[in-house]
Amino acid sequence: EVQLVESGEGLVQPGGSLRLSCAASGFTFSSYWMSWVRQAPGKGLEWVANIKQDGSEKYYVDSVKGRFTMSRDNAKNSLYLQMNSLRAEDTAVYYCARTRIYCSGGSCAPSYFDYWGQGTLVTVSS
Amino acid sequence: EIVLTQSPGTLSLSPGERATLSCRASQSFSSSYLAWYQQKPGQAPRLLIYGASSRATGIPDRFSGSGSGTDFSLTISRLEPEDFAVYYCQQYGSSCITFGQGTRLEIK
Repeated sequence: EVQLVESGEGLVQPGGSLRLSCAASGFTFSSYWMSWVRQAPGKGLEWVANIKQDGSEKYYVDSVKGRFTMSRDNAKNSLYLQMNSLRAEDTAVYYCARTRIYCSGGSCAPSYFDYWGQGTLVTVSS
Repeated sequence: EIVLTQSPGTLSLSPGERATLSCRASQSFSSSYLAWYQQKPGQAPRLLIYGASSRATGIPDRFSGSGSGTDFSLTISRLEPEDFAVYYCQQYGSSCITFGQGTRLEIK
């Protein structure tokens, strides 16, 4: 059974930092792209970042570029999101999600999210 | 960035009725790189449809997806009580993945 368990929930002041983790089990973690998706309270879903199987490619939504860093440790079946210079608008539940790919013209890219964790809440407030 | 607009914002129907949810893209994108998710209160989203019309594993056949180009739809043929939730579309036809704002399907 595929399981994704996020941790790192917390309350942090604006400008502060926080590191989220996601522990994966039930599948070959090193074979999949992975992503972070967030949801502000009462709002919709927003893709945040994704990372290739070997960590060699990473993509971020513009609003977090230069502030968030996604990484993974395939030996530990773990995914991470280092969040710096946090802002009030970063307040959200953060989900990690297993990411499928689509291939076209000889290249492959991340696509949809077939398994999700239960999420971890990040609150940025003074 | 491709903007996805879902309509209606809220859909009020009764169990047994047919539901049709719409997702319109601000620009056409490659092939049918669109997915649909269901989210219930306090839960993570669940994948329903990918590739615009392929059902995910374990999804009942009352859920179907269609469309191409800029106009897509999710149809639930006969609503069951457990289908009342929020539904999101998501595109992966560009390097920046985006979601629609969601349609709330509520019991009438």
